[in-house]
Amino acid sequence: DTAVSQTPKYLVTQMGNDKSIKCEQNLGHDTMYWYKQDSKKFLKIMFSYNNKELIINETVPNRFSPKSPDKAHLNLHINSLELGDSAVYFCASSQDGRTNLFFGSGTQLSVL
Amino acid sequence: GIQVEQSPPDLILQEGANSTLRCNFSDSVNNLQWFHQNPWGQLINLFYIPSGTKQNGRLSATTVATERYSLLYISSSQTTDSGVYFCAVGSSGSARQLTFGSGTQLTVLP
Repeated sequence: DTAVSQTPKYLVTQMGNDKSIKCEQNLGHDTMYWYKQDSKKFLKIMFSYNNKELIINETVPNRFSPKSPDKAHLNLHINSLELGDSAVYFCASSQDGRTNLFFGSGTQLSVL
Repeated sequence: GIQVEQSPPDLILQEGANSTLRCNFSDSVNNLQWFHQNPWGQLINLFYIPSGTKQNGRLSATTVATERYSLLYISSSQTTDSGVYFCAVGSSGSARQLTFGSGTQLTVLP
């Protein structure tokens, strides 16, 4: 059983399109995150939800909109995709935000 | 915000060698974790260690919070240890918001 699973693993799309990435965790954690890893492997937090409530919202273009239907799911919707959005997006979860952080396998987004 | 510096940026070892990776941070923390990103891109949590020492097999980690650094020790390295090692910290005011260092790229040669 995969603890944190995200789909799709690869996403290739044209500029201007809208796309979504889904994430689910079966660890019973109450906090979920989206991270972005750029081409130099730098990891930066984008959003965090605790029990479906947005608690961290970094300086991210408002084309990015997270949605958490319940505490086990956190999806990421991206509107009007741009070339600079190409990166690997990781979903993650932890309990209370103060214990081990577990990552999904990542979604490689390529905007052409 | 808090600054995180990792050293060395790159490290090449022969199989069987030992190594020490360092993470310096600029402010007091109550969350510090080490991760390994393998060559396939998977991020694996190694340690949650805001203070003290922990060991897991050939890996161990020590955090000296008062001096604002953490060390990751890898003993008897294997080729499967290759990848990028990240340190991530959460400051006392925002433990959930982990700031990642730029990583140490480790290559273990057979």
